[in-house]
Parts: sequence; C-alpha cells; structure tokens
Amino acid sequence: GESVGLHLPTLSVQEGDNSIINCAYSNSASDYFIWYKQESGKGPQFIIDIRSNMDKRQGQRVTVLLNKTVKHLSLQIAATQPGDSAVYFCAENSGGSNYKLTFGKGTLLTVNP
Amino acid sequence: DAGVIQSPRHEVTEMGQEVTLRCKPISGHNSLFWYRQTMMRGLELLIYFNNNVPIDDSGMPEDRFSAKMPNASFSTLKIQPSEPRDSAVYFCASSPVTSSSYEQYFGPGTRLTVT
Repeated sequence: GESVGLHLPTLSVQEGDNSIINCAYSNSASDYFIWYKQESGKGPQFIIDIRSNMDKRQGQRVTVLLNKTVKHLSLQIAATQPGDSAVYFCAENSGGSNYKLTFGKGTLLTVNP
Repeated sequence: DAGVIQSPRHEVTEMGQEVTLRCKPISGHNSLFWYRQTMMRGLELLIYFNNNVPIDDSGMPEDRFSAKMPNASFSTLKIQPSEPRDSAVYFCASSPVTSSSYEQYFGPGTRLTVT
C-alpha cells in the first residue's frame, strides 16, 4: 500500500547560488535556536546557533537570522556547493533547566552542479 | 575525539525479540538524549538524562521501551518485545550543556528493522 510520510519542504538551487532555508517556531518562550545538517545515512551535525538576544549570527558561509516578532528563523548558505545537499533542521530550546531541543520537520536542500 | 559511539549500526530482528541499543557519550558531557527518526514522524525525542538521571521520558512510546544510564559513559535503550512499527533509526546524542549552548552531538545512529 501507499505509505504516508512527512512531506519535507524542498529547495533546489544551482551550485554557486545562495540558499535560504526558513523555519517557523511555535514557542514564544524559546530563547535558544540551532541549525543542524543531516546527510543521508548520518546523524545530524551542528551548523550554527543563536540566542534570542541576537538577531543575526554569522559563521563560515552561513548566516542565521532570528525574527522574534514573527517567530521566524532562517539559515542562509552562501555560494552553495554540492556537498551542502542534505536535510536541514531547525531546533529550539526554552531555556532554564530544560535541556531539550524541539526539532522542526526539516527542509531538503538539493544542489545541482 | 571519537564522538558519540553507537552500537550496533544495523540490527535486524524478528517481531517479539528483545533489542538492546548501546551508546557511549562524549567524555565530559553531562546530558544524554535518545531519539527515534522515521519518515512518518521525523525526529522524536524519546528520553533524556542529566548526570545519569532520567529527566524526561515523556517521549517513550510505551512500556515496551526502557532506557538506562548506569554511569556517565554508557547508556542503553531496550525494546522488549519488539514490533515491526519500531523499525526506525535510533540516535543517541550527548551535550555538555553550558549557560550559552544547548548543542547536542549526535552519534551515527542504529538502523533497526523488525520483521
């Protein structure tokens, strides 16, 4: 029978273009956010994180933007490469003694050479 | 740094059998997390430990699932009896949890198939 699974948002870009992956979060109390990259057959890998007292943070080829007003997070990847093809997850934490990360559904990024 | 170590990497078992998944966290990390990932439900937190103590097991599906952390360098996730719907990739992650970061470091996962 037909299986029903998560319908991951997908983004397809050309090599060398910039990519923007978006994430909406639900908990207005969340004060820590993190992006992970998961390649096929591997565990999620840390990309970059940001606290709620910031609205932008830059890493190597990546930038995370946080808009607390509309509870929106984005990951920008500059000069996207084929090796960037993966599923990207955002996650949030509400702070205090709660160490849990709540993960989003993920976005599949495909980079075309 | 060896990272988080999980074993076995692949497990195929028959319905009704007991399955034990193992995890060695990164040395010095004080929190450990067990996740399950499926196409249907995505990445789900099952349980997490802080300083070897279970803190939140609200994600454990049912009594067939149990997890232990007898010391800071070892944890197990046990399924007894296993069912086909338990087929998934199970990840273990550890975290140093500091005041500025809740970053979790994931292991390579155990792919479980229950027939």
